[in-house]
Amino acid sequence: DARVTQTPRHKVTEMGQEVTMRCQPILGHNTVFWYRQTMMQGLELLAYFRNRAPLDDSGMPKDRFSAEMPDATLATLKIQPSEPRDSAVYFCASTAGSDTQYFGPGTRLTVL
Amino acid sequence: QKEVEQDPGPLSVPEGAIVSLNCTYSNSAFQYFMWYRQYSRKGPELLMYTYSSGNKEDGRFTAQVDKSSKYISLFIRDSQPSDSATYLCAMRTQGGKLIFGQGTELSVKP
Repeated sequence: DARVTQTPRHKVTEMGQEVTMRCQPILGHNTVFWYRQTMMQGLELLAYFRNRAPLDDSGMPKDRFSAEMPDATLATLKIQPSEPRDSAVYFCASTAGSDTQYFGPGTRLTVL
Repeated sequence: QKEVEQDPGPLSVPEGAIVSLNCTYSNSAFQYFMWYRQYSRKGPELLMYTYSSGNKEDGRFTAQVDKSSKYISLFIRDSQPSDSATYLCAMRTQGGKLIFGQGTELSVKP
């Protein structure tokens, strides 16, 4: 049963600390998305990659967020420095080029 | 104004009721319309997918698209407590990005 995996599932950190979230897309999927979900804003696209190349990161605050795909099996999202307003659930999703995006279970981030 | 508008609810119905969930959108370039279901503390999962105007049925679920009015709906017949979840509409841009609605929280009471 192929699934998108994300680590960590929960993260509590203090303001100013670096946070790294990891995603393993489904094997063979060439497009990876990072989303952020909050009560106020809903589900927002932060960035996405196709064949490991960044295609769009316009939804991401550039000064503190960065997203990379060091290889086809790993995508990372970093926040440095973190702020309380970054508290949210961060989802990774992948697709093989069809319109169905498969979501991971999310990383629940709390910045104190 | 957001590109996709969806009433966040919450919506509470008795078991067996017909549920109607709706979204409006402003971008006429949207071509693909989807409904995702998200259980508490889980990631969204694709429920229905439509391309053209009209109805698409899958079991107890019917997705309806009216491109002229920029309005999409999801109907759930004979609703069950297991349908309790947040339902998110999503529209796909030509570039492949999904724009999601806020999500409607549905509770089906036994």
